[in-house]
Amino acid sequence: DSGVTQTPKHLITATGQRVTLRCSPRSGDLSVYWYQQSLDQGLQFLIQYYNGEERAKGNILERFSAQQFPDLHSELNLSSLELGDSALYFCASSVGGLNEKLFFGSGTQLSVL
Amino acid sequence: DQQVKQNSPSLSVQEGRISILNCDYTNSMFDYFLWYKKYPAEGPTFLISISSIKDKNEDGRFTVFLNKSAKHLSLHIVPSQPGDSAVYFCAASSGTQGGSEKLVFGKGTKLTVNP
Repeated sequence: DSGVTQTPKHLITATGQRVTLRCSPRSGDLSVYWYQQSLDQGLQFLIQYYNGEERAKGNILERFSAQQFPDLHSELNLSSLELGDSALYFCASSVGGLNEKLFFGSGTQLSVL
Repeated sequence: DQQVKQNSPSLSVQEGRISILNCDYTNSMFDYFLWYKKYPAEGPTFLISISSIKDKNEDGRFTVFLNKSAKHLSLHIVPSQPGDSAVYFCAASSGTQGGSEKLVFGKGTKLTVNP
């Protein structure tokens, strides 16, 4: 158990809909990262938050947004969903320093039908 | 442009033998490298890392080798065990230039260790 909790584990929705993925980091970790893993793709970095502030952005679509709340949990919002958004979405956390290993949650499997 | 490449999608070895997983990178700014292991229905877990100031790092049965001139690293597992069967991701970062947000992952290699 990594200590990172992601909910829900599975999500099935239709095109055009909006969903929210939730992540609770390990106790004490200030950084939260979101990654997307599509079929046959590696882990694609989406966005990072550190202590409530956006710290880095990766390949995140404009239809996607995220935030980190004062209790350090984070939500990833995906809107106007398309079939191609079907993927495994991972949240990871770290204390927030350099060269730190990330602790990953077990992921949310999103299926857009 | 894929900066971290794991050209072998899968690898099968016999229990007790050596497993060698390879990873190539193109960005010469990368100076910190990590391997993550992922079991089905679980998130990736950190396995071992190496800084560019070293060419080898060992942790029990796992050893990572770094060849900076070739922009190549490899993970050796000796001896391989059936419990090592998983997907292995190589990751790299320009750690001295920033934080963990700059981690770039390869697509992974699925290792199967046969009893």
